[in-house]
Amino acid sequence: RKEVEQDPGPFNVPEGATVAFNCTYSNSASQSFFWYRQDCRKEPKLLMSVYSSGNEDGRFTAQLNRASQYISLLIRDSKLSDSATYLCVGWGGGADGLTFGKGTHLIIQP
Amino acid sequence: EAQVTQNPRYLITVTGKKLTVTCSQNMNHEYMSWYRQDPGLGLRQIYYSMNVEVTDKGDVPEGYKVSRKEKRNFPLILESPSPNQTSLYFCASSLSRAAYEQYFGPGTRLTVT
Repeated sequence: RKEVEQDPGPFNVPEGATVAFNCTYSNSASQSFFWYRQDCRKEPKLLMSVYSSGNEDGRFTAQLNRASQYISLLIRDSKLSDSATYLCVGWGGGADGLTFGKGTHLIIQP
Repeated sequence: EAQVTQNPRYLITVTGKKLTVTCSQNMNHEYMSWYRQDPGLGLRQIYYSMNVEVTDKGDVPEGYKVSRKEKRNFPLILESPSPNQTSLYFCASSLSRAAYEQYFGPGTRLTVT
């Protein structure tokens, strides 16, 4: 069974700081990875894809390290609105669908 | 507007009283699924459907039923709810099981007393 493991946090970070968190995966056959964001009591939404070459979207950078089997998310110049739970998601390629991590809770403090 | 809708959003019920949570999507997606989310356990898939009349068990199907008679609708049925089914439920849809972007409904918070 594929597993995606995350530190649940919470990560308490002052506004404007840079924060990074990782998740690890156990199935080396997993083809792709993604970060979803979930606001309190709301539905998860796709944040960004993760590539071995890195993927940057504004203040967010996602990276995949296949050799060490971990995925990272870096948030620069953090905003209060970044406070949320970030779900690491693995995709085995079709038959297995998505595997969700339990999420990392991020709190940006003023 | 492309969306997944769920009803009801909140429900308090008693043990053993049958209930149905409806889910509907307007994106013509083939794949639909139900998840429950519990503190410390994350999202766990209950059932999924790859197309009309095709459904299969996820990781935690016990105590639940589903049906997919139309492409847009995927109701979740609890024939005899129990307190351990108190949870936050999400319906989701995507173009196919192979698609990585799932669109989630707003969630249904169910309490079984």
